[in-house]
Amino acid sequence: SQTIHQWPATLVQPVGSPLSLECTVEGTSNPNLYWYRQAAGRGLQLLFYSVGIGQISSEVPQNLSASRPQDRQFILSSKKLLLSDSGFYLCAWKSRDVLNSPLHFGNGTRLTVT
Amino acid sequence: KQEVTQIPAALSVPEGENLVLNCSFTDSAIYNLQWFRQDPGKGLTSLLLIQSSQREQTSGRLNASLDKSSGRSTLYIAASQPGDSATYLCAVRVSNAGGTSYGKLTFGQGTILTVHP
Repeated sequence: SQTIHQWPATLVQPVGSPLSLECTVEGTSNPNLYWYRQAAGRGLQLLFYSVGIGQISSEVPQNLSASRPQDRQFILSSKKLLLSDSGFYLCAWKSRDVLNSPLHFGNGTRLTVT
Repeated sequence: KQEVTQIPAALSVPEGENLVLNCSFTDSAIYNLQWFRQDPGKGLTSLLLIQSSQREQTSGRLNASLDKSSGRSTLYIAASQPGDSATYLCAVRVSNAGGTSYGKLTFGQGTILTVHP
């Protein structure tokens, strides 16, 4: 069966510090991968998606970047965090090979920038 | 631009009640619609996925319907239990003739459900 792992679960970082959140998927190959952010009262916002190694598409201009160094690994990064980067970050995957496959989410990372 | 709205924003019911959560979307050209459940501080769990050609999907006590032409979906929960307490989100995948939507979903703000004993 497929599983998705995100870490860390919680993170408190000072303004101006770097960020690296990691997400890995097991039990599937060639998935589409996504980073969403959920801010209080604002719903889920798609930040990045990837359809293959090294292929990253950004949905909104921001202080963050994403990378996909391996087929089942997706990393969210920032060189210098802003207060507005605080939020709940969710990684998700879906099968590219199965028509109408659902989106599956990790447990998320709660990021607080102080 | 697709917009998804969920009503009500919050709902509190006694255990055992049947209830309906509503979701509406502005662009009827969707590929599918998915209902999720989110427990506090956790990720989203997929409940049901309805393809654009389908009218409803069922899983246990859950039944989701889709009326694409009117831009609406409902999630029906039968015989609610305290364990059903969570935030329920609906999301639509926009249809793209070129197949380049890449599975991106647009989410509603969610309905916070509380089922009290």
